[in-house]
Amino acid sequence: AQKITQTQPGMFVQEKEAVTLDCTYDTSDPSYGLFWYKQPSSGEMIFLIYQGSYDQQNATEGRYSLNFQKARKSANLVISASQLGDSAMYFCAMREGLSSGGSNYKLTFGKGTLLTVNP
Amino acid sequence: SQTIHQWPATLVQPVGSPLSLECTVEGTSNPNLYWYRQAAGRGLQLLFYSVGIGQISSEVPQNLSASRPQDRQFILSSKKLLLSDSGFYLCAWSKGLAGLRDEQFFGPGTRLTVL
Repeated sequence: AQKITQTQPGMFVQEKEAVTLDCTYDTSDPSYGLFWYKQPSSGEMIFLIYQGSYDQQNATEGRYSLNFQKARKSANLVISASQLGDSAMYFCAMREGLSSGGSNYKLTFGKGTLLTVNP
Repeated sequence: SQTIHQWPATLVQPVGSPLSLECTVEGTSNPNLYWYRQAAGRGLQLLFYSVGIGQISSEVPQNLSASRPQDRQFILSSKKLLLSDSGFYLCAWSKGLAGLRDEQFFGPGTRLTVL
């Protein structure tokens, strides 16, 4: 089974509107971290936001916020007031704790969502 | 501030030829270093990571190898490239912090095409 699922291959949003990019994850480890990265057409991966499994509040970073629903195992990224520069691929990733038996260094990525912001 | 460099930016190589991709990090010491590969339209796959000089861990068996000859230098190599080695190779670093929140910061990547 996939550990990270991003069900939206592509999304469109009008400039200045908000958009939600979906991410569900699969782990039996009680300790894990969730990351969102942005990949513009240039290719570089840019870290956006982090949510820990034990964090009580949803993470926020500027226009980015995370809608973390632990029971549903979802960590959706919300971008408010979209800008043309937000057009990019967005990847959700997870790091599991050592109790999963895997490497604590490994980030497992989803396949990404291509966001297009229309003027 | 920290910066990460990768070169070359693009590379076209024939099947069976050798490969050497280089990654260097500036502005930090003793970073964790990572090599990822991204196939077209896919997410990233971790290939190798290193927590120190000469210490390399492989995540996926393949015909690639990695080396860390200096603290802030990470090299990805192959003796004989395969068609399936084509892809976008990204180097990343992290501070090696304890716990799960150890953000990885990525370089600009190398686009490799094997013909």
